[in-house]
Amino acid sequence: GQNIDQPTEMTATEGAIVQINCTYQTSGFNGLFWYQQHAGEAPTFLSYNVLDGLEEKGRFSSFLSRSKGYSYLLLKELQMKDSASYLCAVRDRGFSGGYNKLIFGAGTRLAVHP
Amino acid sequence: GAGVSQSPSNKVTEKGKDVELRCDPISGHTALYWYRQRLGQGLEFLIYFQGNSAPDKSGLPSDRFSAERTGESVSTLTIQRTQQEDSAVYLCASSLTWAGNTIYFGEGSWLTVV
Repeated sequence: GQNIDQPTEMTATEGAIVQINCTYQTSGFNGLFWYQQHAGEAPTFLSYNVLDGLEEKGRFSSFLSRSKGYSYLLLKELQMKDSASYLCAVRDRGFSGGYNKLIFGAGTRLAVHP
Repeated sequence: GAGVSQSPSNKVTEKGKDVELRCDPISGHTALYWYRQRLGQGLEFLIYFQGNSAPDKSGLPSDRFSAERTGESVSTLTIQRTQQEDSAVYLCASSLTWAGNTIYFGEGSWLTVV
């Protein structure tokens, strides 16, 4: 089956660093995505990992270990505007065997406090 | 257009009525997804279109749900005989190809069934 797990909620302090973990079990794998979603808005793309290792993009970094079915999103120098839900998604096999199904976790609500 | 466009942005309908939700993907994007997101929950995969290939309908929750796409352009999600549990935001996303590492979401269509 398909299972993507993330913590439900996290809190952090402005200026700090926070790590949001994601573990997955899917029938196939062809990339892992992180999205940010503010309340009432559409998800916006943050990062994509398909090979093991760390991808850095400004204040945001994402790590992937395919053998462990594990990823994390690292947010540095937290700002109040980073308060949002963070969604982990895995591209899994579709019904025809091709990789066309993006499966999302339930998301992690991050609250940044002054 | 510049981004994924969805309409209507908000729809209130009576239980038992049919609704049509429209998605206009980014020009040139061959892959198109529909997701459902209930309040406070994660994204639930509904259906995927890739070019002229047969769509992956494995996420449609019942036969009241159907979707069409003409070539690589507009898609319509139809919900027949709406029920209160259909109340959710319906998100459309598109990417250049099935392997695209950036998938863009529209603002969503907020459906309320009363």
